[in-house]
Amino acid sequence: SYVLTQPPSVSVAPGKTASITCGGNNLGSKSVHWYQQRPGQAPLLVIYYDGDRPSGIPERFSGSNSGNTPTLTISRVEAGDEADYYCQVWDDSSDHPVFGEGTKLTVL
Amino acid sequence: QVQLVESGGGLVKPGGSLRLSCAASGFTFSDHYMSWIRRAPGKGLEWVSYVSSSGYTIKYAKSVKGRFTISRDIAKSTLYLQMNSLRADDTAVYYCARGLERPTGWLDSWGQGTLVTVSS
Repeated sequence: SYVLTQPPSVSVAPGKTASITCGGNNLGSKSVHWYQQRPGQAPLLVIYYDGDRPSGIPERFSGSNSGNTPTLTISRVEAGDEADYYCQVWDDSSDHPVFGEGTKLTVL
Repeated sequence: QVQLVESGGGLVKPGGSLRLSCAASGFTFSDHYMSWIRRAPGKGLEWVSYVSSSGYTIKYAKSVKGRFTISRDIAKSTLYLQMNSLRADDTAVYYCARGLERPTGWLDSWGQGTLVTVSS
C-alpha cells in the first residue's frame, strides 16, 4: 500500500521557522493534508488541499506541494506548537486515507 | 459546533471483544463519511475503517479486516466499531473522525479518543 515518509524529528528555536516534509510516490499529483497532535490531545487539521487553512488556524501555518515534496511550514514558532505532525493523502488505489509516519516538532 | 464523543474503551483480554461508540452532534450525520483511526503507544496514526455517507461503502485496514465491524445509527447520530478477536497490537487510543460528503480528502473534526488496552 501507499507509504508516506516524514523525518522523525525536527527541532527549532522559538521565533524561527520550522519546515516538515512529506515523501511519497508521485505526491505532486495528490492533495496533501496536515494534522497537529499535541500530547494527550486529539489530532487537529491545520492544512488541507496542500495549502489551505481551516478557520481558526493561525496564518503562521502554511503548506506547499511543489517539486513533489509537500512541506508544512510553521513561521515564528511558539512553545505551543510543540507536537507531532502528520501528513495525509487519499490513496486512490486502495481507496482509503494514508497517514505519514509523523514528525515530532521540538521547540528548543 | 461539531462534536464527536467516543466511549466504550477499556481493558480486555486477548481474544475478547469490545464495542466503541462515537456520538456526533452539530452537523447532519448522514451527510458525511465517518472514520475510525487509532494511535498505538509509541506509534503514529493508523486509519482503521470508514463508512460512506450513504452507508453502502465500507472499508477496513488489512490489520483489522475480518475482526472489526463498523456500523452507524443515523437516528442516534452514532458511529460504532465492534472489535472481536482482539490482540495485544490492537492496544491504542481510538478516534472517530468526520470526513467529507464522499470518501476522499481530509478529516476535519476528531473526537478526543477512547483508550483500548488488550492485555492478560
